[in-house]
Amino acid sequence: AQSVAQPEDQVNVAEGNPLTVKCTYSVSGNPYLFWYVQYPNRGLQFLLKYITGDNLVKGSYGFEAEFNKSQTSFHLKKPSALVSDSALYFCAVRLVSGSARQLTFGSGTQLTVLP
Amino acid sequence: NAGVTQTPKFRVLKTGQSMTLLCAQDMNHEYMYWYRQDPGMGLRLIHYSVGEGTTAKGEVPDGYNVSRLKKQNFLLGLESAAPSQTSVYFCASSQGGQGGREQYFGPGTRLTVT
Repeated sequence: AQSVAQPEDQVNVAEGNPLTVKCTYSVSGNPYLFWYVQYPNRGLQFLLKYITGDNLVKGSYGFEAEFNKSQTSFHLKKPSALVSDSALYFCAVRLVSGSARQLTFGSGTQLTVLP
Repeated sequence: NAGVTQTPKFRVLKTGQSMTLLCAQDMNHEYMYWYRQDPGMGLRLIHYSVGEGTTAKGEVPDGYNVSRLKKQNFLLGLESAAPSQTSVYFCASSQGGQGGREQYFGPGTRLTVT
């Protein structure tokens, strides 16, 4: 079984400050990890993924995430937040050996960037 | 490219009515998925398909059926709608083969069952 936890339902940050959205995972094997963003009344958009190799992954819109195997975490970060980053963020995991690319999603974190 | 499209965007059903949601993708992806999104629960997989003519159950398949007669289309059916099926439904697709392929999502269908 695989699971994802996003411990914070809501994260507020001031514009220009760094932001972190937390994600921890549980899988019985090696994981693929993903971050998606959802703007109001829209579908999910892919931000970045960890497959293998460098633990620091860079993605769209200046976001990055760090894979930490010992802490089973994959936190999303951005050095300087923008008001336009305000959205719902989802972390997702699947087993490298899993079939059919089945993703398990976290419950989501609402990010609000305050001007 | 339109990517992943969904029809309809909104629908209101009465309990016991049936309907079909249509998903289409123009990226020649092998895999397609149907999810439902409910507040505080993230996305949960209903059914998925690994190729034309194949379907399989996901995490929450009860009350839904699917068909994939053509590679580019994936249909989700509700035979007898229940209020518990009020949700936002998302279709997604991804490439086949090995590797951590990301999924591409449609804009969603908001379904209300009264």
